[in-house]
Amino acid sequence: GENVEQHPSTLSVQEGDSAVIKCTYSDSASNYFPWYKQELGKGPQLIIDIRSNVGEKKDQRIAVTLNKTAKHFSLHITETQPEDSAVYFCAASPDDKIIFGKGTRLHILP
Amino acid sequence: DVKVTQSSRYLVKRTGEKVFLECVQDMDHENMFWYRQDPGLGLRLIYFSYDVKMKEKGDIPEGYSVSREKKERFSLILESASTNQTSMYLCASSLPNYNEQFFGPGTRLTVL
Repeated sequence: GENVEQHPSTLSVQEGDSAVIKCTYSDSASNYFPWYKQELGKGPQLIIDIRSNVGEKKDQRIAVTLNKTAKHFSLHITETQPEDSAVYFCAASPDDKIIFGKGTRLHILP
Repeated sequence: DVKVTQSSRYLVKRTGEKVFLECVQDMDHENMFWYRQDPGLGLRLIYFSYDVKMKEKGDIPEGYSVSREKKERFSLILESASTNQTSMYLCASSLPNYNEQFFGPGTRLTVL
């Protein structure tokens, strides 16, 4: 089955700097790659996703890249703000189920 | 506004008790999911349902069962709760072939 590895597990960046989270997956049948943000006391919420026919997608300060050959995908957050502090999960989906990475706790330092 | 609700935010039960966790969605989604979330382990799928009365095991189904009698409701049952089932339980729903899952706020279950 699918296996998703996510790094780093914890990331601290200065406010205004960029943050990058990287993931790899194992199942070449995966064709959907969502990113979820989980704030304290809440369930995860989708922030951006990418499908396998696209290499890059951007939404304001957030961008995702996908390299299907290498089975890598990444989340980039630019101009980080205090409200970006949260746990971020990458995921891969070969069917209706989603396999999640273990998460990255992002701290934005003042 | 799409919504997934879970019956309790916090629950404390005794070892051996039967525990019911309820999840309701108002989006007419076919798919519903139960996950548990533990520090350092991410979200792990317990069970999945793609239609009423249909269920499929996820990665960690041992010690759990589920029930889906109505489209909007998906229940997770711990037949005999054990301390290693202390965790955060998250419910989610989605349309078929659409992938995006919508999550509830979670139930933090403590088994003493």
